[in-house]
Amino acid sequence: AQSVTQLGSHVSVSEGALVLLRCNYSSSVPPYLFWYVQYPNQGLQLLLKYTSAATLVKGINGFEAEFKKSETSFHLTKPSAHMSDAAEYFCAVSGGSTLGRLYFGRGTQLTVWP
Amino acid sequence: EAGVTQSPTHLIKTRGQQATLRCSPISGHTSVYWYQQALGLGLQFLLWYDEGEERNRGNFPPRFSGRQFPNYSSELNVNALELEDSALYLCASSTRQGGTEAFFGQGTRLTVV
Repeated sequence: AQSVTQLGSHVSVSEGALVLLRCNYSSSVPPYLFWYVQYPNQGLQLLLKYTSAATLVKGINGFEAEFKKSETSFHLTKPSAHMSDAAEYFCAVSGGSTLGRLYFGRGTQLTVWP
Repeated sequence: EAGVTQSPTHLIKTRGQQATLRCSPISGHTSVYWYQQALGLGLQFLLWYDEGEERNRGNFPPRFSGRQFPNYSSELNVNALELEDSALYLCASSTRQGGTEAFFGQGTRLTVV
């Protein structure tokens, strides 16, 4: 069985500050892990993915995430927040017999203050 | 290259009616997934189709059904609409290879009144 827990449904940071969005996963098989971003009234856009290559994954818009098997974590970070980063972020896991089916976390709403 | 396209973008139906939502995957993708995003409930997996067959189903009643056509496009049907079916319905497509990302459409906003 696979599941994702995102700690913190809302995160607020000042523009220029570090962004840290937390994601812990549970998987009975080697996981594939993803971060997606959703802007209001839009679909989901892939930020980055982990598929068992490098544990530090770089994505679009300056985001990166580190896969830590010992901690079953895949936290998303960005060194300096920008106003345009304000959106909802979803962590997801897939793998095993259900292949591409994604198991999503509940999402984290990121607010960026000027 | 065209992305995943969904139609219509908005749909308003009356309780008890049927709704049909459509999705065209990215060229070359054989898998189509449907998710429901209702307010306060997050993203809930509905259905997965691949090569014309239903491969996996989420915890939804049978009045949620769908199909995949030979050109890999897909249709989601919701019968006997209830008020709580109001949500954003997202379609995604991918190849069948494990670990590949799913690409999402912009969604269909279904409102049941």
